[in-house]
Amino acid sequence: AQSVTQPDIHITVSEGASLELRCNYSYGATPYLFWYVQSPGQGLQLLLKYFSGDTLVQGIKGFEAEFKRSQSSFNLRKPSVHWSDAAEYFCAVGAGSGGYNKLIFGAGTRLAVHP
Amino acid sequence: DTAVSQTPKYLVTQMGNDKSIKCEQNLGHDTMYWYKQDSKKFLKIMFSYNNKELIINETVPNRFSPKSPDKAHLNLHINSLELGDSAVYFCASSSTGSGYTFGSGTRLTVV
Repeated sequence: AQSVTQPDIHITVSEGASLELRCNYSYGATPYLFWYVQSPGQGLQLLLKYFSGDTLVQGIKGFEAEFKRSQSSFNLRKPSVHWSDAAEYFCAVGAGSGGYNKLIFGAGTRLAVHP
Repeated sequence: DTAVSQTPKYLVTQMGNDKSIKCEQNLGHDTMYWYKQDSKKFLKIMFSYNNKELIINETVPNRFSPKSPDKAHLNLHINSLELGDSAVYFCASSSTGSGYTFGSGTRLTVV
């Protein structure tokens, strides 16, 4: 069955430090992969997506993610975190016919940023 | 010019009541969805419509009934509300080659 695992429930980093959020997926075919961010009380904003091609994907707000098929991973990275990056981050895999008729989400990683 | 808009943003109601949440998208997307986010922030799909046709119904109680009058609108009606229905409900839309665009959510509280 398709699933997404985000091993870190909560991560705290200092402002200016680098960040890596982990995501592992289980999916039989070539996955469509997404990272979303949710600020408190807000909706979900798409940071980046991987459909095919270059395995290093650039997104908004300075984020990037790398698809590694051999590790079934799609980790999110940012070289220097800003206080405004504090939020909940969700990794998702698209499933169903057409590749993403539905999104299967991980449980999320809550990012806290210390000044 | 909001892409996916949901109303209302907040909904507080008593057990046993019937309520509706409305969703509209102006992106020209073919597919619309309802997702539920529970108190632990876990997101799970409920329904998916493609060009007004139901294509996904994920073991949701039949108290929940989606309706899509046209491909730009997807409403969610909930009968006989229960305490466990309290959650944030997100509408979303997508089209081939695009990612999902989510609405800002409707926080439903059943008391």
